[in-house]
Amino acid sequence: QSVLTQPPSASGTPGQRVTISCSGSSSNIGSNTVNWYQQLPGTAPKLLIYSNNQRPSGVPDRFSGSRSGTSASLAISGLQSEDEADYYCAAWDDSLNGPVFGGGTKLTVL
Amino acid sequence: EVQLEESGGGLVQPGGSLRLSCAASGFIFSTYWMHWVRQAPGKGLVWVARINSDGSSTNYADSVKGRFTISRDNAKNTLYLQMNSLRAEDTAVYYCARRGYDSSGYGPAAFDIWGQGTMVTVSS
Repeated sequence: QSVLTQPPSASGTPGQRVTISCSGSSSNIGSNTVNWYQQLPGTAPKLLIYSNNQRPSGVPDRFSGSRSGTSASLAISGLQSEDEADYYCAAWDDSLNGPVFGGGTKLTVL
Repeated sequence: EVQLEESGGGLVQPGGSLRLSCAASGFIFSTYWMHWVRQAPGKGLVWVARINSDGSSTNYADSVKGRFTISRDNAKNTLYLQMNSLRAEDTAVYYCARRGYDSSGYGPAAFDIWGQGTMVTVSS
């Protein structure tokens, strides 16, 4: 059971906009920044969004993040087939004194 | 090119030990905090341990505390994870990951560089 809660799956058609939610508590998302990772099949995770809504260089602006209270969300606009991957949210947890991850959301592009 | 490369994984019996290494290149290794994150087959990401830039401070997940030790050799640009008393539930791909600079806006759970991972299988 992951500390952060994500839906196990999400889907959309090419060109659509999809959002993935991440729910936490006051000890993690409520008091620390949220990060999002993309894991393509058979590869290592890649940082997609950091500090709630910042994109590392090279990440398309189709990807955006937001945080409100103890929840966060990742939005992907103009969905493309290459976006099919697992997506994980992560935040520092003050109670556990370590980073915590969501269980991951498998995004399928129909 | 900024790169992390893990090695040392393999098959080990329950109760056994293994040492993982993570070789860093393309950046000033000694200035970054480093982490180990694992992923059991078909499962999600789980944080294992972290070490500060000079190796003087470490933290562990409760599931590995007392059994695993994270360390680093900044002269060799290498991160280590010594794993003792291994259990079946430690079976996973182990990734080393670099935490981005705080001064660049990266929070404590923002890992900007990951290795390709090394598989550890604990089985008799």
